[in-house]
Amino acid sequence: DGGITQSPKYLFRKEGQNVTLSCEQNLNHDAMYWYRQDPGQGLRLIYYSQIVNDFQKGDIAEGYSVSREKKESFPLTVTSAQKNPTAFYLCASSPSTSGYEQYFGPGTRLTVT
Amino acid sequence: RKEVEQDPGPFNVPEGATVAFNCTYSNSASQSFFWYRQDCRKEPKLLMSVYSSGNEDGRFTAQLNRASQYISLLIRDSKLSDSATYLCVALMNSGYSTLTFGKGTMLLVSP
Repeated sequence: DGGITQSPKYLFRKEGQNVTLSCEQNLNHDAMYWYRQDPGQGLRLIYYSQIVNDFQKGDIAEGYSVSREKKESFPLTVTSAQKNPTAFYLCASSPSTSGYEQYFGPGTRLTVT
Repeated sequence: RKEVEQDPGPFNVPEGATVAFNCTYSNSASQSFFWYRQDCRKEPKLLMSVYSSGNEDGRFTAQLNRASQYISLLIRDSKLSDSATYLCVALMNSGYSTLTFGKGTMLLVSP
């Protein structure tokens, strides 16, 4: 089955710890994205990548980091510098960033206490 | 001003009703538009793209008015399974294209 997987589905961490969220796709898509969604809010873009070893900051990149060492994988690290890390994190991919719709993974709910 | 605005709802309708969602966007450079559906605590899923000429997919019809910067989604003969949040999305092509999401409109279809 082709698709996007994110793991884990639920993640709990203590404040001050870094945590890495996994995102893998086997759709052969070039572009990948990370969003966060807070209750009652729209999706906000954290980082995106068009090609391996290249990525750009989105609207709310502070406190996050990413890597794109393989086309299939785009992990997101939520660092201790992120002031309000508790959120629903969604990874997406698209064939390219030029006018194509995006397809989402099932998301990871991160709770930091 | 928010870039993509939607009425948050919820819209409460009985089964079989016709319901319309509206969306406005502020960036006239936006070039592509989509409607996504998001079930509670799930990921958004693409419902349909929106074309200038308007497009229909079964019970769903999407319209785009570029002059008014307005997008609509019409759902006919509502089903219980249509209950979800509907996200209006604009894509702006300027170098790297990114999607801008509205906050969504919640639809509740009751028996």
